[in-house]
Amino acid sequence: GAVVSQHPSWVICKSGTSVKIECRSLDFQATTMFWYRQFPKQSLMLMATSNEGSKATYEQGVEKDKFLINHASLTLSTLTVTSAHPEDSSFYICSAGDLSLPQHFGDGTRLSIL
Amino acid sequence: GEDVEQSLFLSVREGDSSVINCTYTDSSSTYLYWYKQEPGAGLQLLTYIFSNMDMKQDQRLTVLLNKKDKHLSLRIADTQTGDSAIYFCAENAGNNRKLIWGLGTSLAVNP
Repeated sequence: GAVVSQHPSWVICKSGTSVKIECRSLDFQATTMFWYRQFPKQSLMLMATSNEGSKATYEQGVEKDKFLINHASLTLSTLTVTSAHPEDSSFYICSAGDLSLPQHFGDGTRLSIL
Repeated sequence: GEDVEQSLFLSVREGDSSVINCTYTDSSSTYLYWYKQEPGAGLQLLTYIFSNMDMKQDQRLTVLLNKKDKHLSLRIADTQTGDSAIYFCAENAGNNRKLIWGLGTSLAVNP
């Protein structure tokens, strides 16, 4: 079945640093990937739609300069949290699926900003 | 706008059947999904159903879709303690493959 790999799984860093999270589709090509954020005991909040070869589409209220998305190939999308602060601490999850597949999710990245 | 609703909590005894319900509003949805999330983990696709189907069965899982009432359910037969997790219902919204999510139903299985 479709496999989506997300890396790293957990990162702890100081306030002010930038953190990059990778999302890879391992056995299929994905022109579209999605980035979600999940707070404890809550549902997923869609942050942005990552489009291969073009700009990402951000949901309302999500700062595009804060959360940089790059989808340079059909198997890789990256989310960079720039100048991270404690309020950015959260669980970030990506998903991918081609036209004939439902969305499959990575295992998520737990980001903790001190 | 599109909306997906599901009950927040369900508790069952081990060996019983669990039924998790979901209602949605977008009549143009083509796929409806059930995902499982264990604590601290990502989401696992359990099953999905096309909107032109009424039922889909996969081992212990049975999905029922009532398109008229926009009601989706997931039945887990012979529920085990390993089934304890949060179950999310989701529908796709149009052709851009964006998913609309319910808040998740937390399933607790008691020995």
